[in-house]
Amino acid sequence: DGGITQSPKYLFRKEGQNVTLSCEQNLNHDAMYWYRQDPGQGLRLIYYSQIVNDFQKGDIAEGYSVSREKKESFPLTVTSAQKNPTAFYLCASSRARSNTGELFFGEGSRLTVL
Amino acid sequence: QKEVEQNSGPLSVPEGAIASLNCTYSDRVSQSFFWYRQYSGKSPELIMSIYSNGDKEDGRFTAQLNKASQYVSLLIRDSQPSDSATYLCAGGPPRNYGGSQGNLIFGKGTKLSVKP
Repeated sequence: DGGITQSPKYLFRKEGQNVTLSCEQNLNHDAMYWYRQDPGQGLRLIYYSQIVNDFQKGDIAEGYSVSREKKESFPLTVTSAQKNPTAFYLCASSRARSNTGELFFGEGSRLTVL
Repeated sequence: QKEVEQNSGPLSVPEGAIASLNCTYSDRVSQSFFWYRQYSGKSPELIMSIYSNGDKEDGRFTAQLNKASQYVSLLIRDSQPSDSATYLCAGGPPRNYGGSQGNLIFGKGTKLSVKP
């Protein structure tokens, strides 16, 4: 079955540590996205990538980094510079050349800083 | 005005009633809209998309778009307890936006509770 796989589902981190969240898709989608969701805040865009080896900052990129070395993979690193990293992180993909704008989401990764 | 706005709720309706969820948007949002349903602790799933003025029906769901009023709504007929979730309204990327069509702008969501 095609879809988006995020791991880990739950992650605990000590302050000052970097952590990397994995996102893999087998939908052959060109574009991939990382969103952050806080309670009552909706989804906020962290980074997105339309093509391999290229990515763009979203609205809240500070303290995060990404890479897009393969079409299928778009890992997100939450660095120690991120002041309030505890949140629910969602990876998504879309057919960039489609005009539908439909996003397909992974199941999410919940990060808690201890 | 925020780009996509929703009443956070909670909206409570009895089982079998019509639930009406509303969303307004600013000029910066292009005129393609999406409704996502998100159960607590889960990821959003697309339930309706609408691109043209008017109504679009799919089973118990009807999406309505009124471009003149910059208003989009989702009606759920014969509401069931399983419809209890947060509903996210999302608009297409800003006009003249150079990024991907999938870069949606989300509202904060409306929490719906359907009481048996």
